[in-house]
Amino acid sequence: ETGVTQTPRHLVMGMTNKKSLKCEQHLGHNAMYWYKQSAKKPLELMFVYSLEERVENNSVPSRFSPECPNSSHLFLHLHTLQPEDSALYLCASSRGSRGWGGYTFGSGTRLTVV
Amino acid sequence: AQTVTQSQPEMSVQEAETVTLSCTYDTSESDYYLFWYKQPPSRQMILVIRQEAYKQQNATENRFSVNFQKAAKSFSLKISDSQLGDAAMYFCGLPYGGSQGNLIFGKGTKLSVKP
Repeated sequence: ETGVTQTPRHLVMGMTNKKSLKCEQHLGHNAMYWYKQSAKKPLELMFVYSLEERVENNSVPSRFSPECPNSSHLFLHLHTLQPEDSALYLCASSRGSRGWGGYTFGSGTRLTVV
Repeated sequence: AQTVTQSQPEMSVQEAETVTLSCTYDTSESDYYLFWYKQPPSRQMILVIRQEAYKQQNATENRFSVNFQKAAKSFSLKISDSQLGDAAMYFCGLPYGGSQGNLIFGKGTKLSVKP
């Protein structure tokens, strides 16, 4: 058990579908993050939540919509995605908002858009 | 702007030998941390080691150590007595963004360990 749990592990969706990715941590961390990992590209930071408030939206298209209902849960709502959105989506959490203690990552959701 | 560069897309090491993975970075911050993460085929990113920039002493965690050269902005990872389980992608990470601890990463180095 990693401490950060992501579901589902794999997801295949059509371009007209709506789906959600879920991330959960019970480490007492107060900051949570969504990253996108595509083949042959660096990990891209998408969203940052600190104390349940979004503090970073890294120029992510509006077809990705995050939600952080409390400090333990983070969602990524997906709608009308494109094939180039296929990637591994990683969730992470950290104890402090500066993240200097390091992140704890989940195992990711492998998303395929068809 | 902060950047992280890993110039070795792939590396290979013989089991029980030592390998060094390189990382260079650029930042305007004076106080920061640097991280090395490992991503095995299970996909989970695992923190290997971290270095506080204001500490001159290089961080060490069992078989993993770093060579931190602040002036040169270099942060290499040395793995001693390599084991088959060390085979993975390795990412160098640097926080940026003022008060928010957003990590940026290099493109990664794929390490293979030969038996």
